[in-house]
Amino acid sequence: GENVEQHPSTLSVQEGDSAVIKCTYSDSASNYFPWYKQELGKGPQLIIDIRSNVGEKKDQRIAVTLNKTAKHFSLHITETQPEDSAVYFCAARSFGNEKLTFGTGTRLTIIP
Amino acid sequence: SQTIHQWPATLVQPVGSPLSLECTVEGTSNPNLYWYRQAAGRGLQLLFYSVGIGQISSEVPQNLSASRPQDRQFILSSKKLLLSDSGFYLCAWSVSDEQFFGPGTRLTVL
Repeated sequence: GENVEQHPSTLSVQEGDSAVIKCTYSDSASNYFPWYKQELGKGPQLIIDIRSNVGEKKDQRIAVTLNKTAKHFSLHITETQPEDSAVYFCAARSFGNEKLTFGTGTRLTIIP
Repeated sequence: SQTIHQWPATLVQPVGSPLSLECTVEGTSNPNLYWYRQAAGRGLQLLFYSVGIGQISSEVPQNLSASRPQDRQFILSSKKLLLSDSGFYLCAWSVSDEQFFGPGTRLTVL
């Protein structure tokens, strides 16, 4: 089955700087890669996703890149703000599979 | 627009007591439904998922069970809670690639 590894497990970034979280996946058939943001005491919120037919997707300050050859994808947050502090999860799913495989999460702390 | 509800929001139960958590989705039809558990400070563990009424797939053997009596209703149950059942229980739905989570139920077993 699919295995998703996520790094780093914790990340502290000065406000205004950029943050990058990386994930690798094992199943070359995976074609959908979402990212979730989970604030304390709340359910995870889908913030951006990418499909295997594109290499990069951007939405304001967040972007995701995908390298299918290397089987890794990354979340980039620019101009970080205190409200970006949260736990971020990556995930992967292959076509026809109803289940997402999640990474273990990254706790991002933005230092004012 | 679609919304997902979970109740109760918090629950404190004694060991050995029964459990029933409910999840309902509005604004969509025939969704895939999922139950996850999240231990404190940990990742997301898929417990059950359902692709239709009465169709339940179990991911992890445990003393929990799930049922889907209606298209947009998903219930998580236990006959006798264990201390290890404490955690944050999340319901989620999807009809295409995107999967959306509910607000969660915080369960504490004492």
